[in-house]
Amino acid sequence: AQSVTQLDSHVSVSEGTPVLLRCNYSSSYSPSLFWYVQHPNKGLQLLLKYTSAATLVKGINGFEAEFKKSETSFHLTKPSAHMSDAAEYFCVVSEDSNDYKLSFGAGTTVTVRA
Amino acid sequence: NAGVMQNPRHLVRRRGQEARLRCSPMKGHSHVYWYRQLPEEGLKFMVYLQKENIIDESGMPKERFSAEFPKEGPSILRIQQVVRGDSAAYFCASSPLTSGGSSGELFFGEGSRLTVL
Repeated sequence: AQSVTQLDSHVSVSEGTPVLLRCNYSSSYSPSLFWYVQHPNKGLQLLLKYTSAATLVKGINGFEAEFKKSETSFHLTKPSAHMSDAAEYFCVVSEDSNDYKLSFGAGTTVTVRA
Repeated sequence: NAGVMQNPRHLVRRRGQEARLRCSPMKGHSHVYWYRQLPEEGLKFMVYLQKENIIDESGMPKERFSAEFPKEGPSILRIQQVVRGDSAAYFCASSPLTSGGSSGELFFGEGSRLTVL
């Protein structure tokens, strides 16, 4: 079975500084990997998706993630945090070829200090 | 264009009562998925439905839980005789396509938070 581990339950950064959210996955095959974001009182929104094309994936709002097979990692980064980035972020792996059966990490809550 | 609509947003039930959660997919979407998030855990897949059909219910508990997506109206997730362990956030998602041809993006609602006293 596929699974995802988000290494930090909470990350706090200052506005304008880089953001790094760490994610490791386990999968018995070549997975599809996603990052979703949930702002307070909002639904989950797809940030970006990896599907075995380029290993560096660019998403919305300046986020990007790098797939590293040797490290089984899919860390999310942003060079400069904005106050609006405060939210909960989920690293997600598809459990099989059906992209609807997603396995979510426990989430990382990001707070941004002014 | 309204997103995925879930209601109620918050529901409180006593042990033994029934809980009904409703989900209206995005306009033009005919595929609905239910996920559950237990406290301190990530979302877990429960069931995938198309209109009048259950496609995959491999994540649904075998007892007390049922889901439907009728020809008309929203999808319903029904939990009978609720217990404290059912307290969770239940998320609905929709998509216009399934695997193989999809973008892989599911559009999620804001969730329904069930509390069982």
